[in-house]
Amino acid sequence: DAKTTQPNSMESNEEEPVHLPCNHSTISGTDYIHWYRQLPSQGPEYVIHGLTSNVNNRMASLAIAEDRKSSTLILHRATLRDAAVYYCILSSLNDYKLSFGAGTTVTVRA
Amino acid sequence: GAVVSQHPSRVICKSGTSVKIECRSLDFQATTMFWYRQFPKQSLMLMATSNEGSKATYEQGVEKDKFLINHASLTLSTLTVTSAHPEDSSFYICSAAAWGDNFNIQYFGAGTRLSVL
Repeated sequence: DAKTTQPNSMESNEEEPVHLPCNHSTISGTDYIHWYRQLPSQGPEYVIHGLTSNVNNRMASLAIAEDRKSSTLILHRATLRDAAVYYCILSSLNDYKLSFGAGTTVTVRA
Repeated sequence: GAVVSQHPSRVICKSGTSVKIECRSLDFQATTMFWYRQFPKQSLMLMATSNEGSKATYEQGVEKDKFLINHASLTLSTLTVTSAHPEDSSFYICSAAAWGDNFNIQYFGAGTRLSVL
């Protein structure tokens, strides 16, 4: 079961970028890197995923290290609505279930 | 993103009663749905994987006779908590999987907060 390591918490100011690191040194070649976030009292929300190349979508960017042993989720301009727990999860066809760790709790200061 | 509707959002029941939670994928067909449980201040724990037209696969330690799962159609899965007791009080969350090449993305419902008195 490939695992990820994330910092417990991170603080940011509104309108500033947030860089959330994730280490996954035991990642296998078939593992995709997924990010989900969970706002208070809600179900998780898909953010982004990638395999080898960096990815961008309307919510965030995902920067993947060349050796794939780490990645960074980038929120370009944090808003108060981005305050949530962010989960970095590895998933593949061989192990398609999502295993949620403790995640990183992001606090955004106005 | 895809929309998953979960109902009810909150339920309060007496000990010994059964509670049914519905999970619907509104704009796509989900052959696979998942049920999670989340206790306060903790992360999500997968309870079971539900495949349309077949029996659910339960995670270790989850009682299949206690948590009945039915996935009768491509857009609906239900979780029934039978003979609920106070220790079953939790936040129950479903998700529906959308499959791509070699990966799946899960779209989650808003969750059901169950309080058993």
